[in-house]
Amino acid sequence: NAGVTQTPKFQVLKTGQSMTLQCAQDMNHNSMYWYRQDPGMGLRLIYYSASEGTTDKGEVPNGYNVSRLNKREFSLRLESAAPSQTSVYFCASSEFLRGGRWQPQHFGDGTRLSIL
Amino acid sequence: SQQGEEDPQALSIQEGENATMNCSYKTSINNLQWYRQNSGRGLVHLILIRSNEREKHSGRLRVTLDTSKKSSSLLITASRAADTASYFCATDRGGSNYKLTFGKGTLLTVNP
Repeated sequence: NAGVTQTPKFQVLKTGQSMTLQCAQDMNHNSMYWYRQDPGMGLRLIYYSASEGTTDKGEVPNGYNVSRLNKREFSLRLESAAPSQTSVYFCASSEFLRGGRWQPQHFGDGTRLSIL
Repeated sequence: SQQGEEDPQALSIQEGENATMNCSYKTSINNLQWYRQNSGRGLVHLILIRSNEREKHSGRLRVTLDTSKKSSSLLITASRAADTASYFCATDRGGSNYKLTFGKGTLLTVNP
């Protein structure tokens, strides 16, 4: 059982290049999330998708776009990469349980992205 | 903006000692969770405490929540070298969209 899988694990880009980060989960979760983690900043939410077909902005959406391709997959795109987007990117998923409670978020192992 | 602030930023202890980490937050919450992150890996959920709970235990973990002070603490008893990791608190405000706001984390080093 893989959980949340992110590809690639590492990537180096030049300023202005574009790139799509892939995320897939096999837990049949409805909700998926993209975060970035910078040193000393914790995790900040970029975009999230409450369910297939919906996406919403998080705390730091500028410079990013997302696509919820299907229930399993949620991709993050950098159209024109900037050095300020150098970070570690994490994808997570969760599910709303019966009884009005959410399952804790499950995280992938991240994509380490450097932009020169 | 960051909701949670962990304290201390870094903590170094010997194996067998207890480790206490604190988290403060700014707005009302529905739940508070603690996650662990090993170096180079994703976050792993440890424990969740609801806003109407004051204390919760799970194995060697003990979490307290004081909503009047908007703070929580995570106690790890009898620490092991394998507990070396960063620990993050995360809060949510409930509702239909489940969004977490994370603190900046505490780096715990347990020396053998």
